[in-house]
Formats: sequence, C-alpha cells, structure tokens
Amino acid sequence: EVQLVESGGGLVQPGGSLRLSCAASGFTFSYYCMSWVRQAPGKGLEWVANIKQDGSEKYYVDSVKGRFTISRDNAKNSLYLQMNSLRAEDTAVYYCAREVPTWDAFDIWGQGTMVTVSS
Amino acid sequence: QSVLTQPPSVSAAPGQKVTISCSGSSSNIGNNYVSWYQQLPGTAPKLLIYDNNKRPSGIPDRFSGSKSGTSATLGITGLQTGDEADYYCGTWDSSLSAVYVFGTGTKVTVL
Repeated sequence: EVQLVESGGGLVQPGGSLRLSCAASGFTFSYYCMSWVRQAPGKGLEWVANIKQDGSEKYYVDSVKGRFTISRDNAKNSLYLQMNSLRAEDTAVYYCAREVPTWDAFDIWGQGTMVTVSS
Repeated sequence: QSVLTQPPSVSAAPGQKVTISCSGSSSNIGNNYVSWYQQLPGTAPKLLIYDNNKRPSGIPDRFSGSKSGTSATLGITGLQTGDEADYYCGTWDSSLSAVYVFGTGTKVTVL
C-alpha cells in the first residue's frame, strides 16, 4: 500500500525548534519530488516547501524562508522538515505530500502531524 | 493570503449540480495546469482532478474540471451527502520563484 506517515509534531514555545519526519512506503521514494503542506486551525491549505528527487533543489514559501529546511534521505525513504525560530502563526497540521511531476499535482498525502507554537 | 480566489461556500440539494470557480492570474492558472482537492472533515486532502480536467483512478465521473484563461472550474453532478467537504484548487505560480499556491477553499453543503 502506498503510504506516507508523518511524525514529530507537538507543543513548542515561540522561538523553539521542531523536526518533522515523513516515512514513505509502497513506492519508489527516490523517483518523486516531495512537499510539505500545512493547514492552520480552521484555515485553508498552504504549501510550505518542496524538494526534488535527489535533494538538489529546494523551494520555500516566503513566510518560512531562512527558518525552515526541507531535506530527504532516499536510503531511508524519509522526508524531513526542520523548523527553527517557530512563531505562533506556524501552528498548523503539517502534511507531507507526493508530487506527480507529469500531473503537477499531489496524489498521495499523509495523515498530518499537529504543531502548536505557544507559551 | 492565497492568490487563487474561490467562493467561500456553495450549496445544493442531493442529486443537483454545483460548480466552484477558482480565479487566478497569468502567472499561475494562466500558464500552468490546475488541480482540485477534496478535504472531508478531519481528514487529509484527496486529489480529485489534475491537468485541469483529468481524474485519477477511482474518482467518479461526477467530478469534472475545466480551465479557461486565468480561471478554472470544478463541477460536481449528482450531488451526494458524502460530497460535503472543503474543496481547493491549486497550481504552480511562476512569478513567486516556483511556489505552489492553493485556492482559498470552498465549503460544499448538501441541503
């Protein structure tokens, strides 16, 4: 079964750090670009970052540039999001999603992990 | 805030049809393919439409997509109670250093 499972969410104080992980299974992870998408409570979807298949290119939404770092380990079939200098507005459910390049779309999503930034 | 604008809500009776618009610009919808996602309450988004009008395997043909210029539309026919969800359009935006943008989201209510 094709699956993405996120972990690493939790409660963190403003200015703190957190590392999210996304474990992929059921497909050849190294063939796909991967993204992180977040959703603040009661709000819409916001794309956060993506990374190419070999990790050579990474892109970020302006609001997280310089604070978040996306990475991957193809040997471990895993995607990561290192989040530093966290702010209250980063509070959200974070989803990892598989990109289908020929579709320009996200066809597989994880169940999400909640990140709460609060003192 | 999102650069793709959708109506906050649409509603119709079971069996009827609804359409959801998604308005953008030449840097996003005008020059890129549009996808549509369904998010049922408390769940992760699910891909409904890709490449403007194509359906992934398993998506019923009650769901359809179209694009014209800088706008896109999702149609749902034969509305069912299980279609009550939030719907989002999405596409790449080439003016913002290759970022993906989602629409503001539309809540579909089955009356």
